[in-house]
Amino acid sequence: GESVGLHLPTLSVQEGDNSIINCAYSNSASDYFIWYKQESGKGPQFIIDIRSNMDKRQGQRVTVLLNKTVKHLSLQIAATQPGDSAVYFCAENRGSQGGSEKLVFGKGTKLTVNP
Amino acid sequence: NAGVTQTPKFRILKIGQSMTLQCTQDMNHNYMYWYRQDPGMGLKLIYYSVGAGITDKGEVPNGYNVSRSTTEDFPLRLELAAPSQTSVYFCASSSYNEQFFGPGTRLTVL
Repeated sequence: GESVGLHLPTLSVQEGDNSIINCAYSNSASDYFIWYKQESGKGPQFIIDIRSNMDKRQGQRVTVLLNKTVKHLSLQIAATQPGDSAVYFCAENRGSQGGSEKLVFGKGTKLTVNP
Repeated sequence: NAGVTQTPKFRILKIGQSMTLQCTQDMNHNYMYWYRQDPGMGLKLIYYSVGAGITDKGEVPNGYNVSRSTTEDFPLRLELAAPSQTSVYFCASSSYNEQFFGPGTRLTVL
């Protein structure tokens, strides 16, 4: 069946390094994707989003890349800091209204930043 | 603004009991959502609402009911609790795209 999944369940990096978290999706009709950060014991927090008419979108220290040909999404975090340690989820919207009304989440990647 | 608030934070239920998880938002968002998150997994959508009086099923609605009588409140009802409903439940709201999540309710059914 169709699913949103991740290539790696865990990622460990050194403080100051760049981090790349990957996500594969299988629904070619999805047109809206979001990355969330979830710290232990808290609800998910929006990081950045991208629509299917874009290949790249940048935020503060974060960049999302979308490759529609291979149905792949990645989140790049520049100069990773200890406060970036969390579980990161990608999500795709499978609703028809173009917003985030029917998000399907991946399983998540746990990022650990070593000092 | 308090954002999205959920009560209770923790609850233990016996099999067959019922309960309501409360969710309130003060951001005047039209959209509200209920998710469950099982250990080591992503969130799964239970129900969502696009406005007062309108609700729709998500990915895993069985065993749950919702209502949306006001813009602010979106309670989730469990009628006959089962061990499979042991999970962390998150409520969220949005105006369109960015969803804001509550702190979650940890529910255990024994």
